[in-house]
Amino acid sequence: DGGITQSPKYLFRKEGQNVTLSCEQNLNHDAMYWYRQDPGQGLRLIYYSQIVNDFQKGDIAEGYSVSREKKESFPLTVTSAQKNPTAFYLCASSIDPARSAFFGQGTRLTVV
Amino acid sequence: AQSVTQPDIHITVSEGASLELRCNYSYGATPYLFWYVQSPGQGLQLLLKYFSGDTLVQGIKGFEAEFKRSQSSFNLRKPSVHWSDAAEYFCAVGPQAGTALIFGKGTTLSVSS
Repeated sequence: DGGITQSPKYLFRKEGQNVTLSCEQNLNHDAMYWYRQDPGQGLRLIYYSQIVNDFQKGDIAEGYSVSREKKESFPLTVTSAQKNPTAFYLCASSIDPARSAFFGQGTRLTVV
Repeated sequence: AQSVTQPDIHITVSEGASLELRCNYSYGATPYLFWYVQSPGQGLQLLLKYFSGDTLVQGIKGFEAEFKRSQSSFNLRKPSVHWSDAAEYFCAVGPQAGTALIFGKGTTLSVSS
């Protein structure tokens, strides 16, 4: 079945450590996105990519980095520069940016 | 700048009663509009979408939404709510210049028996 897989579902890290969240899709979508979700804040865009080897910063990119070396994969690294990394992270993909996006099941990151 | 406003943070509806969740958008052109639903700890599922044409769109799980250009609104409705509809609902607008969907802050729906 086609879909988006995020792993792991839960992730715990010590403060000051970098951590990478995985996102893989087999929908053959060109566009992929990372959103951060905090209670009462809705979804805020971290990074997006419209094509392989190209990505753009979203509204809250500081402290995060991404890569898009393959069409299927769009990993997100939460660096030690991110001041408040504990959150629920959602990956999504779409045929093109204006169309409906398909979401993964999310990764809950807790930094202690 | 484009934006989406969901005026109601939390709504409680009795099971079997009708539901309307409000969504207002700010957008410079004809928008692409979406409603998503999220169960706790899960990803988002698309309920319905509007691109053009008939302003009343039908979605999954018995939901519908009506696009009203004059009011810049895209309200979500359901005639009879079931307990399983309790979740968080997000309205989103399609972007200009190929960026990404812009989401509202969500409305949490509780269903009372």
